[in-house]
Amino acid sequence: SQTIHQWPATLVQPVGSPLSLECTVEGTSNPNLYWYRQAAGRGLQLLFYSVGIGQISSEVPQNLSASRPQDRQFILSSKKLLLSDSGFYLCAWGRGSNQPQHFGDGTRLSIL
Amino acid sequence: QKEVEQDPGPLSVPEGAIVSLNCTYSNSAFQYFMWYRQYSRKGPELLMYTYSSGNKEDGRFTAQVDKSSKYISLFIRDSQPSDSATYLCATGGSHSNYQLIWGAGTKLIIKP
Repeated sequence: SQTIHQWPATLVQPVGSPLSLECTVEGTSNPNLYWYRQAAGRGLQLLFYSVGIGQISSEVPQNLSASRPQDRQFILSSKKLLLSDSGFYLCAWGRGSNQPQHFGDGTRLSIL
Repeated sequence: QKEVEQDPGPLSVPEGAIVSLNCTYSNSAFQYFMWYRQYSRKGPELLMYTYSSGNKEDGRFTAQVDKSSKYISLFIRDSQPSDSATYLCATGGSHSNYQLIWGAGTKLIIKP
């Protein structure tokens, strides 16, 4: 069966510091990968998605970036965090067209 | 107008009641519909996945799609306190095969 791992679960960072969140998927190959942000009490905002190694599509222009160095690894990064980057970050994988996505347990990021 | 509308709630019902959760969508080209359950501080978990119109049942959960009204519903029978969570609807968007269009989620509280 497929599993998705996301870490860390909680992160507290100062403003202006860098960020690296990692997500890995097991039990499947060539998945579509997604990074979402969820503000408190709000829906899911798609940040990036990837359909293959090195292929990244950005949905929201901001100071975050994503990379996919390996087939089942997806990384969310920032060089300098802003207060507005606080939130709940979720990684997900999916298959093909209009197929369900499956989520990790998320990283709660607080910027001080 | 948002592509998918969902009442944020909270919806509070007594244990054992039948719960009805709903979403409306704007684009008649949407064909795939999903319901997710999200517990606090966790990632969304896929509950139901349906294609086109009709009903789909899985245990205490029934998903219903009415394409003529652009209305999707999730019914929970014999509700339990463990069903307390936020429920998100999603649909396969017509403009991209790799993205889902999300409702904002309805917070459900089941009172013992």
